[in-house]
Amino acid sequence: AQKITQTQPGMFVQEKEAVTLDCTYDTSDPSYGLFWYKQPSSGEMIFLIYQGSYDQQNATEGRYSLNFQKARKSANLVISASQLGDSAMYFCAMREETSYDKVIFGPGTSLSVIP
Amino acid sequence: DAMVIQNPRYQVTQFGKPVTLSCSQTLNHNVMYWYQQKSSQAPKLLFHYYDKDFNNEADTPDNFQSRRPNTSFCFLDIRSPGLGDTAMYLCATSREGGRNTEAFFGQGTRLTVV
Repeated sequence: AQKITQTQPGMFVQEKEAVTLDCTYDTSDPSYGLFWYKQPSSGEMIFLIYQGSYDQQNATEGRYSLNFQKARKSANLVISASQLGDSAMYFCAMREETSYDKVIFGPGTSLSVIP
Repeated sequence: DAMVIQNPRYQVTQFGKPVTLSCSQTLNHNVMYWYQQKSSQAPKLLFHYYDKDFNNEADTPDNFQSRRPNTSFCFLDIRSPGLGDTAMYLCATSREGGRNTEAFFGQGTRLTVV
């Protein structure tokens, strides 16, 4: 069964606008971590932001913030003030405490920033 | 500055000819991963190590093997590559255990089987 769902295969956003990339997940483990990665066309996976299941506040890292709604099992990434360099694939990933070291990824969203 | 290094960046191999991809890390992390990523798809975990303990995913083909001779190095061996093994192969590392440790990735090896 798919553990991580990203329902937006492709998204467009105007430069300088904000955009939200959706991620929903499925787990019965009360302790887990959620991660967002960016993958430009060069192929390298770049870590952006982390949210823990017990964290009370939504994570923020510069222009990136995470809209974490635990009851709905969603962890949407918000990118503010989009830049042309933000054009890339974005993957939501999860690490469950009971799965020890495994990190699994969602199918990804392709973001294109339009000048 | 590179912390996870994969070699080579690009590899072309013939159908059925064994190939080895390498990964090294300077982070001294206990955990190392190998992912396969086909075009326009999510990375798929093949296996991972916790120190020398090897953890194979149930659906990883027997054609894929791995070695980790020490903390710093990890190898992916494809014994008889098929055309369907053409993909990006990503190596990653993380600190041991727990839910709050992100994985650090190398730049990947783009493998083409011809």
